[in-house]
Formats: sequence, C-alpha cells, structure tokens
Amino acid sequence: KQEVTQIPAALSVPEGENLVLNCSFTDSAIYNLQWFRQDPGKGLTSLLLIQSSQREQTSGRLNASLDKSSGRSTLYIAASQPGDSATYLCAVPASGGSYIPTFGRGTSLIVHP
Amino acid sequence: GAGVSQTPSNKVTEKGKYVELRCDPISGHTALYWYRQSLGQGPEFLIYFQGTGAADDSGLPNDRFFAVRPEGSVSTLKIQRTERGDSAVYLCASSFSVRDTQYFGPGTRLTVL
Repeated sequence: KQEVTQIPAALSVPEGENLVLNCSFTDSAIYNLQWFRQDPGKGLTSLLLIQSSQREQTSGRLNASLDKSSGRSTLYIAASQPGDSATYLCAVPASGGSYIPTFGRGTSLIVHP
Repeated sequence: GAGVSQTPSNKVTEKGKYVELRCDPISGHTALYWYRQSLGQGPEFLIYFQGTGAADDSGLPNDRFFAVRPEGSVSTLKIQRTERGDSAVYLCASSFSVRDTQYFGPGTRLTVL
C-alpha cells in the first residue's frame, strides 16, 4: 500500500525566504506525481504535474523535482510571499499502475510580511 | 471556461437522514473522482468514474455510500442513513483522462448532527 509522507507538517517563515517542501512515498512504481495547493475552506489547485520520465517541472517561482528511485519529491518556492500561505499537498498513484491518487497530509505554510 | 462545481456548498443534516451531493465536472473530462477530506488530512479516495461506469469504488467505506454518473457528465454521491462520522468535506475532481491533471471543485461540507 502506497504511503505518502510530507515534511515539515507546518512551516512559518518571513517573506522573501526560499523554501523547500518534501514529499516521500513508499512505492516508487509511479507514473506521475502532482503537487497541489489548498487554501482554507477551498478545494485543491494543481500546481505542477511531473511525469515519471521527468526529473523536474517549473512554473514561475515554483520548481518541483522527482527522484523515483529514492521515492522523493521536493517543491521549491523561491522568494516566498504572503500570498503563498496555504497547505501544499503531494499526490502519487496508490500503487503500481493504479489510477487512484494517494495524498500526503500536506505542509501548512504561513509566510508573514 | 467553467471549472468543477459542487452543490450544495454546505449541508447540515440529522443522523439517519439521506443526502445527495452533486458534482458538475469540466466539460469533456472523462474521468471523475470523489474524495473525502477530514480536518488536517489529505483527501481520501472514495470512487472514480471513467465515462459512465465506476472504474474503481474500493474507497467507499460501506454500502451506505453510492455514486452514479448516468450520462458521463454530472455525478451524484449518495449517502444513506448518515452517521456523525460521515461529517467531512466531500471533494470532486475531474480530468481529461486518468493520467492527466485533476481539477478540483470547492467541495461540499457535510455536517451530520
């Protein structure tokens, strides 16, 4: 059974810092990994989707890397802003060829001015 | 274009009652997912549809839960004889195909008194 762990569980930083959020998973036979953002009381917004053949994806100040063999992904946020405050979740297929995503519990980020 | 919509946004019901939660996916998306999210947790998979058929319903907790997607578009999650433990946010997501980015709706917050 796929298990997804996100570290840290919570993070509070001053504006402008560069951040690293970690996601690890136990079954490395995945075809993709997705990072989401969730604002309080809202649904999830997709940030980045990395296919298993890719090493990283970039969107603006966000960069996500994937190391399948070690079962890890990292979301890097450059020059953090208060508007980045949210919970960040990663999701991978439940196991092997499954189409069912398994989510981590998320990292709750607060960026204060 | 329009995103995924869910109705109602909030539902309060009494223990033992029947509820229906509705999801309108993005037009043209063949895959539709239902999740349940409790406070401080990531979304927990319930069921997904590929077209009109339930491709995997292994996440439904028991036979009180049922979902349909009769025309391959709108989906309804039905919960019979609700229990207090069913209280959660129910999220719906859709994607063009099962390996593509999932787009989430805002969720329905269900409270069972």
